[in-house]
Amino acid sequence: QKEVEQNSGPLSVPEGAIASLNCTYSDRGSQSFFWYRQYSGKSPELIMSIYSNGDKEDGRFTAQLNKASQYVSLLIRDSQPSDSATYLCAVTPYGNNRLAFGKGNQVVVIP
Amino acid sequence: NAGVTQTPKFQVLKTGQSMTLQCAQDMNHNSMYWYRQDPGMGLRLIYYSASEGTTDKGEVPNGYNVSRLNKREFSLRLESAAPSQTSVYFCASTPSGMVNEQFFGPGTRLTVL
Repeated sequence: QKEVEQNSGPLSVPEGAIASLNCTYSDRGSQSFFWYRQYSGKSPELIMSIYSNGDKEDGRFTAQLNKASQYVSLLIRDSQPSDSATYLCAVTPYGNNRLAFGKGNQVVVIP
Repeated sequence: NAGVTQTPKFQVLKTGQSMTLQCAQDMNHNSMYWYRQDPGMGLRLIYYSASEGTTDKGEVPNGYNVSRLNKREFSLRLESAAPSQTSVYFCASTPSGMVNEQFFGPGTRLTVL
């Protein structure tokens, strides 16, 4: 079982719609969770971190964490063409000082 | 602050050649990391340094060596490059390994012929 899984294929959303991304993780003891955005040819950029169950909102982004079900999600409201990128989910496994990354989900916002 | 810097940005090597990828951060971070990113494989950890003076293997360490030169600098060395090491290499740093909000450098695109 992979440590972090992002199974959805490329996601196409119309401009102004909500993009929803999901991520599951295998280590029940994981404590910290992150979403990175990566534009083509660029490096990953941290956009959200979440440490406790529930929702965390930052501008148009909302991260949701459910430790009982071992999933993390990212909602992008009012999607803009500039949100077109690959989104990487990352998790710190218990007792580790490293990050485990999912393979990423590509989001395409259609004007 | 420049954040995390990496040199070079691009490099082409022939099989068997050696080279060192350089990484430096000016954020006074304790922990530093080297990743490679390949299409369809995501980001994979090569080596990391939780603090100055320590290094540990990650998921894919074979064919690589690292040096944590001081708190600022963490280098990655390929002793005998192979085509399988063609990849994009990213360096990252974080204030503390357990907090783990990692900040990435711009990357080095390496091609081994």
